[in-house]
Amino acid sequence: RKEVEQDPGPFNVPEGATVAFNCTYSNSASQSFFWYRQDCRKEPKLLMSVYSSGNEDGRFTAQLNRASQYISLLIRDSKLSDSATYLCVVESGYALNFGKGTSLLVTP
Amino acid sequence: EAGVTQFPSHSVIEKGQTVTLRCDPISGHDNLYWYRRVMGKEIKFLLHFVKESKQDESGMPNNRFLAERTGGTYSTLKVQPAELEDSGVYFCASSPRQGYTEAFFGQGTRLTVV
Repeated sequence: RKEVEQDPGPFNVPEGATVAFNCTYSNSASQSFFWYRQDCRKEPKLLMSVYSSGNEDGRFTAQLNRASQYISLLIRDSKLSDSATYLCVVESGYALNFGKGTSLLVTP
Repeated sequence: EAGVTQFPSHSVIEKGQTVTLRCDPISGHDNLYWYRRVMGKEIKFLLHFVKESKQDESGMPNNRFLAERTGGTYSTLKVQPAELEDSGVYFCASSPRQGYTEAFFGQGTRLTVV
């Protein structure tokens, strides 16, 4: 079983739509959780950390359910510039465990 | 402030040759990490340095891979001899403290072994 699993997509949505990504992780001892964004042929960039209480950064809301080992990311009012691959990432020990990423394409 | 820089950005080598990848972390970042993504797979952890010491190298695939960080500044990752399955993108990241909330990734080195 993979450490981090996420739906690869692609998700094609129109501008202004709300889109949700989900992710599950296998290691219950995992300590920290993140969503990264990766543009084509670029490096992963931290989008936001994810906390059990849920956290919001502008149009982005992340949630963590430790009991279900489930992480989510909600993007409201999608912009063309949101088109990218979104990586669910779980920190265990000294390492980050990455999901394969979910591809999002926002269309005009 | 300069970010994490990696050199070269691309490398194409023949099977059996040696390649050395370099990573310059953000100045003052004691923690340096190497990751790689092979085609079709997720990004995978290779190893973690704290200054010049290897903190965790559990992700290194085999003994053809050698990472060093002499002096605790830049790091090199040598692959010798390279095999076809080593092709992928090798990322370096650095952070000032252990943990990733302040970590930044370099743009990666795309390695192709033919």
